[in-house]
Amino acid sequence: DIQMTQSPSTLSASVGDRVTITCRASQSISSWLAWYQQKPGKAPKLLIYKASSLESGVPSRFSGSGSGTEFTLTISSLQPDDFATYYCQQYNTRWTFGQGTKVEIK
Amino acid sequence: QVQLVESGGGVVQPGGSLRLSCAASGFTFSSYAIHWVRQAPGKGLEWVTFIRYDGSDKYYADSVKGRFTISRDNSKNTVYLQMNSLRAEDTAVYYCAKDRGAFDIWGQGTMVTVSS
Repeated sequence: DIQMTQSPSTLSASVGDRVTITCRASQSISSWLAWYQQKPGKAPKLLIYKASSLESGVPSRFSGSGSGTEFTLTISSLQPDDFATYYCQQYNTRWTFGQGTKVEIK
Repeated sequence: QVQLVESGGGVVQPGGSLRLSCAASGFTFSSYAIHWVRQAPGKGLEWVTFIRYDGSDKYYADSVKGRFTISRDNSKNTVYLQMNSLRAEDTAVYYCAKDRGAFDIWGQGTMVTVSS
């Protein structure tokens, strides 16, 4: 099974900050990686697919990069609506989620 | 609009059974695979099971294999999750999600609580 490891688990940041979350796969997944945002009590929302493709309707301050085993999600200028938990997911071989990164207000 | 709506959650005793439904609308349901993903209280997302668009392939997480069964009725635009031999660790919000490679559409979730 492919394991996905996110870092950090928690991130404290201020509005306007540039934020980067890292996701590592236990083996190569090419670019078959997605990022999701989840707010309390709500379903996850797709942000990025195929490592770097922005889902329709998602603000351009979100971007994804990487391939193989190392991936990043970047929020260029954190907005109040962005405080949430973020998950990476591989869909190269079956499906696995990372453990999540909670973005908190500093 | 494009949406998935789960139903069937509730409280069940350990060892009991429950059937969840996921009703789709706003897209060509019979063309897409569907997944179930669950989230235990305060925990992360766990992929549970997958069914191909025509029902020809199904996959399960090891944690539910042999206890859960996924099925679909394309005439009713609905996917089902039959959950048997439920355990306390199955307590979670269960989401269904549409497969476009990544999971692009999610339902609102239905809560399953396994407790005596």
